[in-house]
Amino acid sequence: GENVEQHPSTLSVQEGDSAVIKCTYSDSASNYFPWYKQELGKGPQLIIDIRSNVGEKKDQRIAVTLNKTAKHFSLHITETQPEDSAVYFCAASTQNTGNQFYFGTGTSLTVIP
Amino acid sequence: NAGVTQTPKFRVLKTGQSMTLLCAQDMNHEYMYWYRQDPGMGLRLIHYSVGEGTTAKGEVPDGYNVSRLKKQNFLLGLESAAPSQTSVYFCASGKGSSYEQYFGPGTRLTVT
Repeated sequence: GENVEQHPSTLSVQEGDSAVIKCTYSDSASNYFPWYKQELGKGPQLIIDIRSNVGEKKDQRIAVTLNKTAKHFSLHITETQPEDSAVYFCAASTQNTGNQFYFGTGTSLTVIP
Repeated sequence: NAGVTQTPKFRVLKTGQSMTLLCAQDMNHEYMYWYRQDPGMGLRLIHYSVGEGTTAKGEVPDGYNVSRLKKQNFLLGLESAAPSQTSVYFCASGKGSSYEQYFGPGTRLTVT
């Protein structure tokens, strides 16, 4: 099955700086890559996603890039704010029955005011 | 529109006891999922369903059973709980392939 690796596991940045989280995947058939943010005690919430026919997608301060050849994708958060502090998960899925998501192990982001 | 709800929020079981976790969604989604989340391991899929009356195994199905008798509900059962099943359980629903999954708030289960 698919194997998703995520780095780093923890990340601390000063408020206003940028944060980058990277994920790699193993299955070349994977074609959908969502990113989730999880705040303490809550369920994960989608913040951005990208499909394999697109190389980059941006939504205000958040962007995701995808390199299908190298099988990696990254989350970029610019102008970080304290409310960006959370755990972020990447995932990959193939367009097969069930739309199974394979998640990375998460990155705990701390934005220092 | 409540989205995805889970019942209960917390539960403590003794080894060998059984219980059922209930997930409900009001978004008319065909697909529903049960995950477990353990420290340092991300979310792992237990079972999923692609429609009413269907279920399938995910990555870590052993020790769990599921049922999808109604489109809006997805039940996760533990027949004989073990300490290794101590975890936070999340339910999710989605429209289908290559679409996002919407998560519930989670159930924290402790098995002693």
